[in-house]
Amino acid sequence: AQTVTQSQPEMSVQEAETVTLSCTYDTSESNYYLFWYKQPPSRQMILVIRQEAYKQQNATENRFSVNFQKAAKSFSLKISDSQLGDTAMYFCAFIDAGAGSYQLTFGKGTKLSVIP
Amino acid sequence: DTGVSQDPRHKITKRGQNVTFRCDPISEHNRLYWYRQTLGQGPEFLTYFQNEAQLEKSRLLSDRFSAERPKGSFSTLEIQRTEQGDSAMYLCASSLAGTGANVLTFGAGSRLTVL
Repeated sequence: AQTVTQSQPEMSVQEAETVTLSCTYDTSESNYYLFWYKQPPSRQMILVIRQEAYKQQNATENRFSVNFQKAAKSFSLKISDSQLGDTAMYFCAFIDAGAGSYQLTFGKGTKLSVIP
Repeated sequence: DTGVSQDPRHKITKRGQNVTFRCDPISEHNRLYWYRQTLGQGPEFLTYFQNEAQLEKSRLLSDRFSAERPKGSFSTLEIQRTEQGDSAMYLCASSLAGTGANVLTFGAGSRLTVL
């Protein structure tokens, strides 16, 4: 069974600064997808970024980028130029890339607060 | 299309009562999922449909829980004889089968409080 671990329950960052959220996972699969989801207070969860395990290049979406270390089973999220709207719970998630895969496994989340 | 809609957003009920949640997925999405999220935890998988067929149920889904997706459109999640441990956020998500299958769009959730 896959597990996803987020070791930082809470973090804070000054507006305009950079912050990195950590995620490690455990799997015996060789091909899979990793995700970071953002859940603002009382609002729906939205996809921030997706990484395919067979791609060595780290995914980037505007101010969000990942550091994917497959051998170490590590998948961290870097947020550059932090904005007040980045305040949210951030969840790391994993899914097997097999054709019949349907179940996302989530970590417990990291609560990020951006301080003005 | 305005995304995944869930109703009601909040439900307070007394222990022993039945509750039903509704989810309207993105219209062209043929996969629909239910997850449960308790305080301080990430979402946990409950069940999933491809079109109208319920293809998988988690062991978390006891006999008191039932989900349906008639005609492959909206879905309902019913909890019978609610218990205080059922208090949680119930999240619905949808996706397209195929290459987009693992890109889930979530609704805002239905929060259940059992007194």
